[in-house]
Amino acid sequence: DTGVSQDPRHKITKRGQNVTFRCDPISEHNRLYWYRQTLGQGPEFLTYFQNEAQLEKSRLLSDRFSAERPKGSFSTLEIQRTEQGDSAMYLCASSPTPGQGGYEQFFGPGTRLTVL
Amino acid sequence: AQSVTQPDIHITVSEGASLELRCNYSYGATPYLFWYVQSPGQGLQLLLKYFSGDTLVQGIKGFEAEFKRSQSSFNLRKPSVHWSDAAEYFCAVGADTGRRALTFGSGTRLQVQP
Repeated sequence: DTGVSQDPRHKITKRGQNVTFRCDPISEHNRLYWYRQTLGQGPEFLTYFQNEAQLEKSRLLSDRFSAERPKGSFSTLEIQRTEQGDSAMYLCASSPTPGQGGYEQFFGPGTRLTVL
Repeated sequence: AQSVTQPDIHITVSEGASLELRCNYSYGATPYLFWYVQSPGQGLQLLLKYFSGDTLVQGIKGFEAEFKRSQSSFNLRKPSVHWSDAAEYFCAVGADTGRRALTFGSGTRLQVQP
């Protein structure tokens, strides 16, 4: 069973550096979501893709953040000029097309980012 | 806007005791409701979901939840807790149209005493 995978699992960086995370969704899922989870909180929506199209971005996603999903397969989330407030767990989730068996989201293990 | 409230930040139960975790939601139409569990440093695993139909839904690991529209609640229950159930539990609500992104509560941390 190939679930959602994320890489790296942990990333420690210095303030001001750029970081990039990767998410590989379940292969037949055409929706892909990014969430951010800070300590003691539930995940918060950042952005989502339908195939290769990025359809919505949360206000949480400042202009230092950019996400891509080339060819509608894997996705990358890049954070430029990291700040200490970016320290969080970044979760990726995928789901099948809504209406085809519901739309439960399957989550990856997350990438924990620590900005020093 | 949709929102989820989990009133209990932390709950401790004895192994073998029953469990109920509370969840209240706010959503203008019929909600899609979910319970996820998260072990330390891990992603989220879906326990159960409610889309429509029977208001009592069964999930994995012996969990069940009941949707009560009149109370805007979707409480999670388990008749007998095992030590391995210790984790963080998140209730989430989603729309049935549009982006369908989930809105999560802040979670309830469950500790299980031997």
